[in-house]
Amino acid sequence: GENVEQHPSTLSVQEGDSAVIKCTYSDSASNYFPWYKQELGKRPQLIIDIRSNVGEKKDQRIAVTLNKTAKHFSLHITETQPEDSAVYFCAASLFADKLIFGTGTRLQVFP
Amino acid sequence: GAVVSQHPSWVICKSGTSVKIECRSLDFQATTMFWYRQFPKQSLMLMATSNEGSKATYEQGVEKDKFLINHASLTLSTLTVTSAHPEDSSFYICSAIAGGPWNEQFFGPGTRLTVL
Repeated sequence: GENVEQHPSTLSVQEGDSAVIKCTYSDSASNYFPWYKQELGKRPQLIIDIRSNVGEKKDQRIAVTLNKTAKHFSLHITETQPEDSAVYFCAASLFADKLIFGTGTRLQVFP
Repeated sequence: GAVVSQHPSWVICKSGTSVKIECRSLDFQATTMFWYRQFPKQSLMLMATSNEGSKATYEQGVEKDKFLINHASLTLSTLTVTSAHPEDSSFYICSAIAGGPWNEQFFGPGTRLTVL
């Protein structure tokens, strides 16, 4: 089955800097890669997603890149703000069905 | 976006008792619902996939006799933790999707289960 690895486990950045989180997946059949932001005790919130027929997608300060050949995808947050502090999870699935989550990255943005 | 609710939001029970958690899609019909478990400071682990009117499909390592899932209608799925033990204490989150492929999964707010 699918296995998703995520790095780093923690990331601390200064406000205004960029943050990059990377994930690799094992199942070449996976074609949907969402990213979620989860605050303590809350539900995961979808922040951006990408399908395998696209190499990059951007939404304001957030972007995701996908390298199908290498089976890895990354989340890029630019101009980070303190409210970006949370745990971020990547996931992989086939047609947005069963989601297999990465291990999570705790992002701290210091003012 | 669509709304998914869970009830209760938290529950404390004694070891050996059973606990039922409800997951409802409030403004759409969910063809498929998923149940996840999240231990503190860990990731979400998929437990099972639930389709309305059929038996749930459990992930490897998840005991189907311990975690009973019922998806009786297009808006309600229930997870019953039978004979709960302290190691079952966790955050249980459901999600729901409507229709065919590529549809976004909408997550419930989660239920925190503490077994004493």
